[in-house]
Amino acid sequence: EAQVTQNPRYLITVTGKKLTVTCSQNMNHEYMSWYRQDPGLGLRQIYYSMNVEVTDKGDVPEGYKVSRKEKRNFPLILESPSPNQTSLYFCASSSDRYNQPQHFGDGTRLSIL
Amino acid sequence: QKEVEQDPGPLSVPEGAIVSLNCTYSNSAFQYFMWYRQYSRKGPELLMYTYSSGNKEDGRFTAQVDKSSKYISLFIRDSQPSDSATYLCAMSLGNQFYFGTGTSLTVIP
Repeated sequence: EAQVTQNPRYLITVTGKKLTVTCSQNMNHEYMSWYRQDPGLGLRQIYYSMNVEVTDKGDVPEGYKVSRKEKRNFPLILESPSPNQTSLYFCASSSDRYNQPQHFGDGTRLSIL
Repeated sequence: QKEVEQDPGPLSVPEGAIVSLNCTYSNSAFQYFMWYRQYSRKGPELLMYTYSSGNKEDGRFTAQVDKSSKYISLFIRDSQPSDSATYLCAMSLGNQFYFGTGTSLTVIP
């Protein structure tokens, strides 16, 4: 079954404590991306990756890092989380040549206290 | 001003009705136009995408793009209770994507 798997699904943590949200896809997709979803603001793109070792900033990259060492994995790193990063996060992948996000994970709800 | 504007609703229709969902945008450089469906506690699901002005049909769904007016629509014919979800429009500029805030739709049996 084609899947994008995010972990953890829920996390409550404190300001400044580094955390990583993992994302893995089993479809051999080249394009992967991260989004955050906030009420009234919709989905906003954080980072995207065209392939291994190729990443670029989206609309709201401040406070986030990513890496793409393997094709299947695209972790999102918050080195010093702050309360304004409390949000619902989605990872997505795509095989389409135009890279429209096709497959989304089920989301990670982060609460930063 | 947001790049993409979408009426949040909520929209409530009886089963079998035709539903019209709309988005406007400000950036004439947007290249691709997408519609996603998102059920509660799930990630968005790509329904349709299109590049040019005009209509694209897929089953009960029709996506319409009017680039001259910077306006896109999604029509759902013979709506079903299973169509109850939030619908997101999205647009692309290169490898970057911009989403509307979503319209919540409820189809009443």
